Amino acid sequence: SYVLTQPPSVSVAPGQTARITCGGNNIGSKSVHWYQQKPGQAPVLVVYDDSDRPSGIPERFSGSNSGNTATLTISRVEAEDEADYYCQMWDSSSAHVVFGGGTKLTVL
Amino acid sequence: QVQLVESGGGVVQPGRSLRLSCAASGFTFSTYTIHWVRQAPGKGLEWVALISYDGNTKYYPDSVKGRFTISRDNSKNTLYLQMNSLRAEDTAVYYCARDSLGWNFDYWGQGTLVTVSS
Repeated sequence: SYVLTQPPSVSVAPGQTARITCGGNNIGSKSVHWYQQKPGQAPVLVVYDDSDRPSGIPERFSGSNSGNTATLTISRVEAEDEADYYCQMWDSSSAHVVFGGGTKLTVL
Repeated sequence: QVQLVESGGGVVQPGRSLRLSCAASGFTFSTYTIHWVRQAPGKGLEWVALISYDGNTKYYPDSVKGRFTISRDNSKNTLYLQMNSLRAEDTAVYYCARDSLGWNFDYWGQGTLVTVSS
């Protein structure tokens, strides 16, 4: 089955740029989605279809996807961005939804 | 506004059964695929099941296939998850989530906790 690999943790200072990666075999040929989850809350979709933002999501959140890596980029990081982030895709070959293991973003 | 409200969680012994419900409102329930996603304590997200808008298509990961059954009643705007032969590793918060029609989840419920323990 398809596997999505994320780093367990990423740290960044306020105002800097955070990049969270999601690795998978030829992931650039698939649509990747990203979720933010804060403690005790349900996940929130922050980027869909590689690089689109749902309404209400700040422009600071952006995404890209090429080759074997998809990336969620958070510009001008704020303290409120501290959360767990998950990538996700639909694997049509197995008819399964796949999540990455999640990355904990720490704002220093 | 779109709302998804799960219920039915609780403490259950290993090997027993439990049925979760997800009440939907604020959108045309009968036109959306809906999923169950779970999260074990301190762990990541795990997809559990999906059901198509009309209930005719259902998919499960191997971890629950043959034990869990997803269903829906479009006349009641309600999604269900029947969980049989429960195991300790099924302990998790269970979320229902709406598929945006693009194989991503644009709305989530608040989750219901299932604890499998003797």
